[in-house]
Amino acid sequence: GQQVMQIPQYQHVQEGEDFTTYCNSSTTLSNIQWYKQRPGGHPVFLIQLVKSGEVKKQKRLTFQFGEAKKNSSLHITATQTTDVGTYFCAGTSSNTGKLIFGQGTTLQVKP
Amino acid sequence: DAGVIQSPRHEVTEMGQEVTLRCKPISGHNSLFWYRQTMMRGLELLIYFNNNVPIDDSGMPEDRFSAKMPNASFSTLKIQPSEPRDSAVYFCASSLDLRGGGDTQYFGPGTRLTVL
Repeated sequence: GQQVMQIPQYQHVQEGEDFTTYCNSSTTLSNIQWYKQRPGGHPVFLIQLVKSGEVKKQKRLTFQFGEAKKNSSLHITATQTTDVGTYFCAGTSSNTGKLIFGQGTTLQVKP
Repeated sequence: DAGVIQSPRHEVTEMGQEVTLRCKPISGHNSLFWYRQTMMRGLELLIYFNNNVPIDDSGMPEDRFSAKMPNASFSTLKIQPSEPRDSAVYFCASSLDLRGGGDTQYFGPGTRLTVL
């Protein structure tokens, strides 16, 4: 079945360093969504990308959707301690219409 | 508007007992999802409903798990009998689903279940 893979699983950075998480699908996606889950919290929707090659920014966060619509990335510039949490990508299959979550990347930021 | 409401927030029970988790989706949303999250297995989709009808229950681990959605504003996930390996955080999420499962999902705060 369709899989959405995320790497890395864990990332520890020093405050001020950049961070990137990557998401890859085995099949073409109609859209990709990103969610953030703070420790002890629940996943919260961040953004959705729909177009091939699309790039969106939210302050220090930059989201990209690949040209083939099978991969995506989230880049955080100059991390802060408030960025701590698990970042999930979720892709909607072009075939089935189902939203499939990746395993998540857990980010730790050392002050 | 209130978000997705789940109850209880915490549940501690003994092995063999029946557990019922409850969810009230966002008003107007027509899809509801039950997830289980553990450190080992991450976020797993258990079942999802569209317009109160179960569409995909392939993630339900075994017959001990059952889910119902008797109306658009209420769903339950039942575990009977419960086992220690069922200990996890169970999330309910809802969406305004116009395309059969791919729209933005809004998660509830979760129920942390501990089975002793």
